[in-house]
Formats: sequence, C-alpha cells, structure tokens
Amino acid sequence: EVQLVESGGGLIQSGGSLRLSCAASGFTVSSNYMSWVRQAPGKGLEWVSVIYSGGSTYYADSVKGRFTISRDNSKNTLYLQMNSLRAEDTAVYYCARVENDEYFQHWGQGTLVTVSS
Amino acid sequence: QLVLTQSPSASASLGASVKLTCTLSSGHSSYAIAWHQQQPEKGPRYLMKLNSDGSHTKGDGIPVRFSGSSSGAERYLTISSLQSEDEADYYCQTWGTGPQWVFGGGTKLTVL
Repeated sequence: EVQLVESGGGLIQSGGSLRLSCAASGFTVSSNYMSWVRQAPGKGLEWVSVIYSGGSTYYADSVKGRFTISRDNSKNTLYLQMNSLRAEDTAVYYCARVENDEYFQHWGQGTLVTVSS
Repeated sequence: QLVLTQSPSASASLGASVKLTCTLSSGHSSYAIAWHQQQPEKGPRYLMKLNSDGSHTKGDGIPVRFSGSSSGAERYLTISSLQSEDEADYYCQTWGTGPQWVFGGGTKLTVL
C-alpha cells in the first residue's frame, strides 16, 4: 500500500527557513516523479515543485530561487527546503506521487507551515 | 495560458445525482484532466483521469457511482446516489509544458 507521511511544518518568522520531509512507503521515491503541492488557508491547491526520476527539478514561479526539492534514496524520503519564507507561503504542504508526468495519484495528509510577519 | 474554471459551489440531495463541470481554457480543449476529492480536514484523494474522448481511469477503490465524461472543452464529474461522505471539495487538475501543473479553483459540494 502506498503511503506518504509529511512532517517538519510549524510556525516560523518571515525570512526564516524550514525543511519539510515526506516519508514514502509502498513504492520507490527515486523511480517516480514526486511533487509538492500547497493549500493556503481556505484556498485552493497550488503546485509548488517536482523532481523527476532522473533528478531534474522544476518550480512554480512563486517559489523559484527560494525553495529546493530533493530526495534521499536511502531513506526513500522527499524533502522541500524553504528559505526566505514569506507570509504568503503560509499553507498546508502536501507531497504527492505523480503518475506518468500527468496527475497526482497519491497524496499525503499534509503538514502546516505558518509564516508570521 | 492553461487555466481550469470550476463553479465555486454545487448542491444536491442525498441519494440524487450531481454533475460538476471543469472548463479548459481556449486552445486547450484536447487536454486530459484529473479529478480529486478533498473531504473536510483531509488531504486530497485522486478520483480519476479523464480524457477528451470521455474515457477515464479511476483510482483504486473509487466507487462505481463516480464517473466522468467530456464535451469539447468541458470535463464533467458525475456522482450518483449521493451519500453524506461525498460532501467535499472537488478539484480538477491538468498538466502542460514547462512543466506545469494547474488546478481549478475547486467546487464545494453540499449534500442536502
């Protein structure tokens, strides 16, 4: 059974840094496309970043240059390093497995990041 | 620009059927989409991939009463025999070059 469990969220001051983790089970992270998607309070879903099985990474314009996606193959874990955090980064962050470079087939339960100004 | 448009809300009675709509932006009418369900205080759940010809691939364990169809730039999610647990937000999602992944604004479904 595929499972994704996020952790690392919390309250952080504007300008600070935070690293989110997503522990995966039931499949191999490095063999799949993996993504981060966020949801601001009371708002819709927004794609944040993706890492391809080959290692290529891509970001939404809103986080480019501030966020870095990575993975640890030995731990089967996905990460999101978030620097220079802003109030508008406040959201629940979900990790997701991407099927065929198309849709998000499996989702985690999310971790809340609150950036105080 | 790749954009998905959804009505903010919909409602239907327990046991009835409801059809939710997702509209692709001009020039993107051939795109496939995916539907996701988000129950209150939960993470999203993949429901199905829906192609422009109406064929669809459902996620594991998704009930038969969830179905999809297409017409032009419109993509539909039909839920029949509505149950209380179907009260949720429903998001359509697509993908494009860049790469990019795009979500619709979501439809909040109320089961009366």
